[in-house]
Amino acid sequence: QVQLVESGGGVVQPGGSLRLSCAASGFTFSSYGMHWVRQAPGKGLEWVAFIRYDGSNKYYADSVKGRFTISRDNSKNTLYLQMNSLRAEDTAVYYCAKDGKLGDYGDWYFDLWGRGTLVTVSS
Amino acid sequence: DIQMTQSPSSLSASVGDRVTITCRASQGISNSLAWYQQKPGKAPKLLLYAASRLESGVPSRFSGSGSGTDYTLTISSLQPEDFATYYCQQYYSTPSLTFGGGTKVEIK
Repeated sequence: QVQLVESGGGVVQPGGSLRLSCAASGFTFSSYGMHWVRQAPGKGLEWVAFIRYDGSNKYYADSVKGRFTISRDNSKNTLYLQMNSLRAEDTAVYYCAKDGKLGDYGDWYFDLWGRGTLVTVSS
Repeated sequence: DIQMTQSPSSLSASVGDRVTITCRASQGISNSLAWYQQKPGKAPKLLLYAASRLESGVPSRFSGSGSGTDYTLTISSLQPEDFATYYCQQYYSTPSLTFGGGTKVEIK
């Protein structure tokens, strides 16, 4: 079954850290770029980060640059998002999403999404 | 960053209606546009990419058109399962991806 399953969300205090995971199955994970996209409660969608299929290149939204780190382990079919120095405005459902294009630099639209994991930053 | 302006922000329609949602980019995006459907409490689902290419498994009542800065999502005959929020997304300017603000389609 083709799917993405996120985990690791929860409640964290401002300034704290959290690591999200995304387990992929049903497709050749190591052949696709992967993204994190978030959605604040009641709000729209915001792209967060991208990692190339082989992990060689990573890109971040300005809002998280220097605080978040995307990584992947192709041997475990798993994507990660390390989130440090968390702020209240980082509160959101975080989705991992598969790039729509095989290999290379990807195409930067999302053809498979996980169900999301909620991160709440609050004291 | 390229700004994506979706209109309307919400609409009320009846089953069987033809529905059109518009997305305008602040600069040309060369058909690098995707449309997503999101139901409450669920993840978004890809409907179309490259402005007009239907994702596998998506009903043919969904279609996309446009060029340059102006793009349209059309639902030819609205079905009960189509009541949802729809988002456009440009991927012309990477890594600065941007989404439209969303259009909520409600039952009249």
